[in-house]
Amino acid sequence: DQQVKQNSPSLSVQEGRISILNCDYTNSMFDYFLWYKKYPAEGPTFLISISSIKDKNEDGRFTVFLNKSAKHLSLHIVPSQPGDSAVYFCAASGGSNYKLTFGKGTLLTVNP
Amino acid sequence: DVKVTQSSRYLVKRTGEKVFLECVQDMDHENMFWYRQDPGLGLRLIYFSYDVKMKEKGDIPEGYSVSREKKERFSLILESASTNQTSMYLCASSLLSAQGPPQHFGDGTRLSIL
Repeated sequence: DQQVKQNSPSLSVQEGRISILNCDYTNSMFDYFLWYKKYPAEGPTFLISISSIKDKNEDGRFTVFLNKSAKHLSLHIVPSQPGDSAVYFCAASGGSNYKLTFGKGTLLTVNP
Repeated sequence: DVKVTQSSRYLVKRTGEKVFLECVQDMDHENMFWYRQDPGLGLRLIYFSYDVKMKEKGDIPEGYSVSREKKERFSLILESASTNQTSMYLCASSLLSAQGPPQHFGDGTRLSIL
Protein backbone atom coordinates (compact mmCIF):
# COMPACT_ATOMS: atom_id res chain seq x y z
CA ASP A 1 0.00 0.00 0.00
CA GLN A 2 1.82 3.06 -1.28
CA GLN A 3 0.92 6.03 0.87
CA VAL A 4 3.05 8.55 -1.04
CA LYS A 5 2.98 8.34 -4.81
CA GLN A 6 5.11 10.02 -7.42
CA ASN A 7 3.48 8.86 -10.61
CA SER A 8 6.05 10.25 -13.03
CA PRO A 9 9.30 8.27 -12.94
CA SER A 10 11.00 10.90 -15.08
CA LEU A 11 10.64 14.44 -16.37
CA SER A 12 12.67 16.34 -18.94
CA VAL A 13 12.64 20.15 -19.28
CA GLN A 14 14.65 22.82 -21.02
CA GLU A 15 16.98 25.10 -19.11
CA GLY A 16 15.22 28.27 -18.02
CA ARG A 17 11.74 26.74 -18.12
CA ILE A 18 9.62 25.65 -15.17
CA SER A 19 9.89 22.14 -13.73
CA ILE A 20 6.82 20.81 -11.95
CA LEU A 21 7.12 17.64 -9.92
CA ASN A 22 3.99 16.08 -8.48
CA CYS A 23 3.21 13.96 -5.46
CA ASP A 24 -0.02 12.44 -4.15
CA TYR A 25 -0.69 10.95 -0.75
CA THR A 26 -3.43 8.82 0.72
CA ASN A 27 -2.93 9.02 4.49
CA SER A 28 -5.08 11.77 6.03
CA MET A 29 -2.83 11.78 9.11
CA PHE A 30 0.07 13.26 7.14
CA ASP A 31 0.55 16.90 8.11
CA TYR A 32 4.12 17.70 7.13
CA PHE A 33 5.64 17.28 3.70
CA LEU A 34 9.19 17.52 2.42
CA TRP A 35 11.09 17.39 -0.84
CA TYR A 36 14.56 15.93 -1.13
CA LYS A 37 17.00 16.00 -4.02
CA LYS A 38 19.42 13.16 -4.66
CA TYR A 39 22.43 13.03 -6.94
CA PRO A 40 23.96 9.65 -7.86
CA ALA A 41 26.36 8.29 -5.23
CA GLU A 42 25.25 10.90 -2.67
CA GLY A 43 22.69 10.89 0.09
CA PRO A 44 19.42 12.83 -0.33
CA THR A 45 19.57 16.50 0.64
CA PHE A 46 16.65 18.38 2.10
CA LEU A 47 15.19 21.02 -0.23
CA ILE A 48 11.98 22.47 1.15
CA SER A 49 9.08 21.55 3.38
CA ILE A 50 5.50 22.60 4.04
CA SER A 51 3.16 22.19 6.97
CA SER A 52 -0.48 21.32 6.43
CA ILE A 53 -1.51 24.69 7.88
CA LYS A 54 -0.04 26.34 4.77
CA ASP A 55 -0.77 25.95 1.09
CA LYS A 56 2.46 27.42 -0.26
CA ASN A 57 6.07 27.73 0.79
CA GLU A 58 8.80 29.43 -1.20
CA ASP A 59 12.58 29.32 -1.01
CA GLY A 60 14.41 31.00 -3.85
CA ARG A 61 13.74 29.12 -7.08
CA PHE A 62 11.79 26.40 -5.27
CA THR A 63 8.12 26.60 -4.34
CA VAL A 64 6.01 23.84 -2.86
CA PHE A 65 2.22 23.92 -3.16
CA LEU A 66 -0.10 21.84 -1.01
CA ASN A 67 -3.72 21.03 -1.89
CA LYS A 68 -5.07 19.23 1.16
CA SER A 69 -8.50 18.50 -0.27
CA ALA A 70 -6.92 16.74 -3.24
CA LYS A 71 -4.12 15.23 -1.12
CA HIS A 72 -1.67 16.58 -3.64
CA LEU A 73 1.53 18.55 -3.51
CA SER A 74 3.84 19.85 -6.16
CA LEU A 75 7.33 21.27 -6.35
CA HIS A 76 7.96 24.09 -8.82
CA ILE A 77 11.49 24.98 -9.88
CA VAL A 78 11.81 28.28 -11.74
CA PRO A 79 13.98 28.77 -13.68
CA SER A 80 15.31 25.25 -14.09
CA GLN A 81 19.07 24.83 -14.35
CA PRO A 82 21.18 21.87 -15.55
CA GLY A 83 22.49 21.46 -11.99
CA ASP A 84 18.93 20.68 -10.90
CA SER A 85 19.14 17.36 -12.76
CA ALA A 86 18.68 14.77 -10.02
CA VAL A 87 16.13 12.40 -8.50
CA TYR A 88 13.52 14.22 -6.41
CA PHE A 89 11.76 12.45 -3.56
CA CYS A 90 8.57 13.57 -1.93
CA ALA A 91 8.17 12.58 1.75
CA ALA A 92 5.46 12.92 4.38
CA SER A 93 5.03 12.53 8.11
CA GLY A 94 2.02 12.58 10.44
CA GLY A 95 1.35 14.04 13.90
CA SER A 96 4.08 13.38 16.41
CA ASN A 97 5.38 10.51 14.38
CA TYR A 98 8.73 11.60 13.02
CA LYS A 99 8.95 8.72 10.60
CA LEU A 100 9.03 9.83 6.99
CA THR A 101 7.26 7.94 4.23
CA PHE A 102 8.93 8.48 0.87
CA GLY A 103 7.67 8.31 -2.68
CA LYS A 104 9.60 6.36 -5.30
CA GLY A 105 11.18 9.46 -6.79
CA THR A 106 11.13 11.38 -10.07
CA LEU A 107 14.25 11.74 -12.21
CA LEU A 108 14.46 15.33 -13.44
CA THR A 109 16.68 16.08 -16.41
CA VAL A 110 17.25 19.72 -17.31
CA ASN A 111 18.65 20.07 -20.82
CA PRO A 112 20.96 22.99 -21.67
CA ASP B 1 26.23 21.91 9.18
CA VAL B 2 25.03 18.47 10.15
CA LYS B 3 27.44 15.71 9.31
CA VAL B 4 26.24 12.12 9.01
CA THR B 5 29.09 9.76 8.27
CA GLN B 6 28.72 6.21 7.09
CA SER B 7 31.80 4.09 7.64
CA SER B 8 32.05 2.60 4.14
CA ARG B 9 31.02 3.85 0.70
CA TYR B 10 31.32 0.42 -0.90
CA LEU B 11 31.26 -3.01 0.70
CA VAL B 12 31.35 -6.52 -0.75
CA LYS B 13 30.40 -9.47 1.45
CA ARG B 14 29.51 -13.11 1.00
CA THR B 15 26.20 -14.87 1.56
CA GLY B 16 25.77 -15.94 5.17
CA GLU B 17 28.24 -13.42 6.60
CA LYS B 18 27.27 -11.13 9.47
CA VAL B 19 27.59 -7.57 8.21
CA PHE B 20 27.86 -4.36 10.22
CA LEU B 21 27.11 -0.94 8.76
CA GLU B 22 28.07 1.98 10.96
CA CYS B 23 26.70 5.51 11.07
CA VAL B 24 27.81 8.47 13.16
CA GLN B 25 26.23 11.93 13.43
CA ASP B 26 27.81 14.98 15.00
CA MET B 27 24.80 17.18 15.78
CA ASP B 28 23.45 15.56 18.95
CA HIS B 29 20.29 14.45 17.14
CA GLU B 30 17.92 12.24 19.05
CA ASN B 31 16.51 10.38 16.04
CA MET B 32 18.47 8.11 13.75
CA PHE B 33 17.23 6.03 10.82
CA TRP B 34 18.34 3.31 8.43
CA TYR B 35 16.88 3.09 4.92
CA ARG B 36 17.60 1.09 1.85
CA GLN B 37 17.20 2.48 -1.63
CA ASP B 38 16.46 0.22 -4.57
CA PRO B 39 15.69 1.21 -8.18
CA GLY B 40 11.99 1.83 -8.67
CA LEU B 41 11.24 1.39 -4.97
CA GLY B 42 12.43 4.66 -3.48
CA LEU B 43 13.62 4.81 0.13
CA ARG B 44 12.25 2.21 2.51
CA LEU B 45 12.68 2.46 6.27
CA ILE B 46 14.35 -0.51 7.92
CA TYR B 47 14.70 0.60 11.56
CA PHE B 48 14.81 3.80 13.52
CA SER B 49 15.79 4.93 16.99
CA TYR B 50 14.62 7.95 18.97
CA ASP B 51 16.95 7.49 21.93
CA VAL B 52 19.93 5.50 23.14
CA LYS B 53 19.09 1.81 23.42
CA MET B 54 15.65 2.43 21.90
CA LYS B 55 14.70 1.04 18.52
CA GLU B 56 11.59 0.58 16.46
CA LYS B 57 10.92 -1.47 13.36
CA GLY B 58 10.34 0.33 10.12
CA ASP B 59 8.61 -1.05 7.06
CA ILE B 60 11.11 -3.77 6.11
CA PRO B 61 12.96 -4.97 9.25
CA GLU B 62 13.19 -8.65 8.33
CA GLY B 63 16.76 -9.91 8.19
CA TYR B 64 18.14 -6.83 9.96
CA SER B 65 18.82 -5.69 13.49
CA VAL B 66 20.20 -2.45 14.92
CA SER B 67 22.22 -1.22 17.85
CA ARG B 68 22.36 2.21 19.47
CA GLU B 69 24.68 2.22 22.46
CA LYS B 70 25.65 5.89 22.14
CA LYS B 71 23.58 8.83 20.99
CA GLU B 72 25.80 9.64 18.03
CA ARG B 73 26.15 6.10 16.66
CA PHE B 74 23.59 3.82 15.03
CA SER B 75 24.60 0.46 13.60
CA LEU B 76 22.72 -1.72 11.14
CA ILE B 77 23.41 -5.45 11.32
CA LEU B 78 22.66 -8.02 8.67
CA GLU B 79 22.51 -11.18 10.73
CA SER B 80 23.14 -13.58 7.81
CA ALA B 81 23.58 -11.69 4.57
CA SER B 82 21.61 -12.77 1.53
CA THR B 83 21.82 -11.69 -2.10
CA ASN B 84 18.47 -9.87 -1.86
CA GLN B 85 20.08 -7.53 0.64
CA THR B 86 22.33 -6.11 -2.07
CA SER B 87 21.34 -2.45 -2.04
CA MET B 88 22.25 1.14 -1.24
CA TYR B 89 21.94 1.72 2.50
CA LEU B 90 21.33 5.23 3.81
CA CYS B 91 21.59 6.46 7.37
CA ALA B 92 19.84 9.65 8.52
CA SER B 93 19.41 11.67 11.69
CA SER B 94 17.05 14.38 12.90
CA LEU B 95 16.08 16.37 15.96
CA LEU B 96 13.27 15.16 18.17
CA SER B 97 10.39 17.45 17.30
CA ALA B 98 6.62 17.37 17.30
CA GLN B 99 6.50 17.89 13.56
CA GLY B 100 8.83 15.73 11.51
CA PRO B 101 11.94 17.90 11.13
CA PRO B 102 14.16 17.37 8.09
CA GLN B 103 16.27 14.28 8.21
CA HIS B 104 19.92 14.67 7.29
CA PHE B 105 21.42 11.83 5.29
CA GLY B 106 24.84 10.29 4.93
CA ASP B 107 26.24 9.53 1.49
CA GLY B 108 25.25 5.90 1.63
CA THR B 109 26.92 2.50 1.61
CA ARG B 110 26.58 0.45 -1.55
CA LEU B 111 26.53 -3.12 -0.30
CA SER B 112 26.96 -6.10 -2.60
CA ILE B 113 26.29 -9.61 -1.32
CA LEU B 114 27.86 -12.32 -3.47
